[in-house]
Amino acid sequence: GAVVSQHPSWVICKSGTSVKIECRSLDFQATTMFWYRQFPKQSLMLMATSNEGSKATYEQGVEKDKFLINHASLTLSTLTVTSAHPEDSSFYICSARDSTGAGEQYFGPGTRLTVT
Amino acid sequence: SQQGEEDPQALSIQEGENATMNCSYKTSINNLQWYRQNSGRGLVHLILIRSNEREKHSGRLRVTLDTSKKSSSLLITASRAADTASYFCAILGGNTPLVFGKGTRLSVIA
Repeated sequence: GAVVSQHPSWVICKSGTSVKIECRSLDFQATTMFWYRQFPKQSLMLMATSNEGSKATYEQGVEKDKFLINHASLTLSTLTVTSAHPEDSSFYICSARDSTGAGEQYFGPGTRLTVT
Repeated sequence: SQQGEEDPQALSIQEGENATMNCSYKTSINNLQWYRQNSGRGLVHLILIRSNEREKHSGRLRVTLDTSKKSSSLLITASRAADTASYFCAILGGNTPLVFGKGTRLSVIA
């Protein structure tokens, strides 16, 4: 089946620093990728939709200047958490939609971010 | 809201028993998907049921879909301790991204 990878798997950073998370579709092309955030014992909340070659679309309440998304190729989207704070600590999961399929979404394994 | 809502929020059963989780939604859908998530881990896709399907099976999993009632159920038969996880339904409508419900936390006691 289709595989989506994320890097890193987990990261611990200091407050005020920026962290970049990569999401790659390994064996298919994805014009659209999605970024979700999940707090402990809660559901996945969609943060933004990332379209290759254009600006991301952010969900209400998500700061686009804080969560920078770049989708520079059909297989790579990045999420940069800028000036991270402890409240940004969360599990970030990306998902990629197969451009050639019937719209299936495939999920990455997630990245756990801890801001100290 | 397109969000699916699972019921119950939490469920505890003995090993060998069946577990049933329900999902309700409010909008029209293309398909509905069930996922499992072990604590602190990524999502595992379990089963997808399309809007024109009524029932699907996969191993010990049985999913039903009633579009007239806008509801779906996930049945896990002969549960095992390893089935302990959170289970989410996610709906896909049109070209929108998957929207997840809050999940059901299942505990299977050995």
